Amino acid sequence: GAVVSQHPSWVICKSGTSVKIECRSLDFQATTMFWYRQFPKQSLMLMATSNEGSKATYEQGVEKDKFLINHASLTLSTLTVTSAHPEDSSFYICSARGIGQVFANEKLFFGSGTQLSVL
Amino acid sequence: SQQGEEDPQALSIQEGENATMNCSYKTSINNLQWYRQNSGRGLVHLILIRSNEREKHSGRLRVTLDTSKKSSSLLITASRAADTASYFCATDRMGGTSYGKLTFGQGTILTVHP
Repeated sequence: GAVVSQHPSWVICKSGTSVKIECRSLDFQATTMFWYRQFPKQSLMLMATSNEGSKATYEQGVEKDKFLINHASLTLSTLTVTSAHPEDSSFYICSARGIGQVFANEKLFFGSGTQLSVL
Repeated sequence: SQQGEEDPQALSIQEGENATMNCSYKTSINNLQWYRQNSGRGLVHLILIRSNEREKHSGRLRVTLDTSKKSSSLLITASRAADTASYFCATDRMGGTSYGKLTFGQGTILTVHP
């Protein structure tokens, strides 16, 4: 099956610094990637939809200047948490949708997630 | 806002028993999907059921969909300790501009005791 690699799996940073999270589709081209945020024991909240070569579409309430998304190629999308603060501490997960027969059943493939802790 | 509501929020059973989780949603959908998440990990796709389907099976999993009631259920038969995880339903809304833009339910934490 298709593989989505998310890196890093965990990161600890100081308040005020920026953190970049990468989401790569390893064996397929991802036309669209989605970024989710999950607090402990809660559901996944969609933050933004990232389409290759165009600006990301952010969900209501998500600050686009705070969470910078870049989808520069068909295999890589990045989420940068700028000037991180403790309230940004969360689990961030990406998912990818691709082209081709393997995606004909509309299944998405998820990365393994990134646990961000801001001190 | 999350449109999916799941119940129970937590379910604790013994190995070999069946586990049933329910999910309700509010808008019309293209499909409904169930995912599994082990603690602190990514999501694994379990099964997808389309809006014109009523029941689907995959191994020990059985999913039903009732679009008139806007609800779905996931049944895991003959549960195993390894089934311990959080289970989420997710809906792909009809008429959405971006298919694959899923709305997740609150999840059910399943614990299977050996």
